Amino acid sequence: DTAVSQTPKYLVTQMGNDKSIKCEQNLGHDTMYWYKQDSKKFLKIMFSYNNKELIINETVPNRFSPKSPDKAHLNLHINSLELGDSAVYFCASSQDNILGLADTQYFGPGTRLTVL
Amino acid sequence: GENVEQHPSTLSVQEGDSAVIKCTYSDSASNYFPWYKQELGKRPQLIIDIRSNVGEKKDQRIAVTLNKTAKHFSLHITETQPEDSAVYFCAASSLGNQFYFGTGTSLTVIP
Repeated sequence: DTAVSQTPKYLVTQMGNDKSIKCEQNLGHDTMYWYKQDSKKFLKIMFSYNNKELIINETVPNRFSPKSPDKAHLNLHINSLELGDSAVYFCASSQDNILGLADTQYFGPGTRLTVL
Repeated sequence: GENVEQHPSTLSVQEGDSAVIKCTYSDSASNYFPWYKQELGKRPQLIIDIRSNVGEKKDQRIAVTLNKTAKHFSLHITETQPEDSAVYFCAASSLGNQFYFGTGTSLTVIP
């Protein structure tokens, strides 16, 4: 069974459109994340979220918003898409350590977004 | 916030040789240091990790060392094989599940 899944795998859209990427994890993890990987392969965290706290990377434009209908899902909604948004977006999840320490992250397969 | 630097950005080795990738971090509160391998077109996958209360950890051909005083940690791959070719990322995290990634090292193992 796939631990962390994302849909769609590929997304091609026009500039100015609004789109969503869905993420689901079946690991029972408490925290989920969204990362952006650009053409240079840099992995940048966009958001981390659990039922207590949303942590937003301050460099992320407010056109990006995470939406969590429940603990197993964290969707990424993007408004007014721009050319520079083209990248691969990875969802990830991890279990909260009992001491509050960081623990292993499991990544989804990625969504390749192309904005034309 | 945390700043993680990773070197080298590209590395080529002959099959059977060792490969070493180094990372430095800035936040002394960081206590968890995972390493990820990302093959072309695939997701990053954890290959080894280390916590700040340990100086070294080994798993078959892969080892990680941590120097808390100097704030650096390294990935060592011995007896490299062509299937080790990939991009490797280091990361650092402190309390709160904030992960900061290095810029990646593209490793090529030449048969």
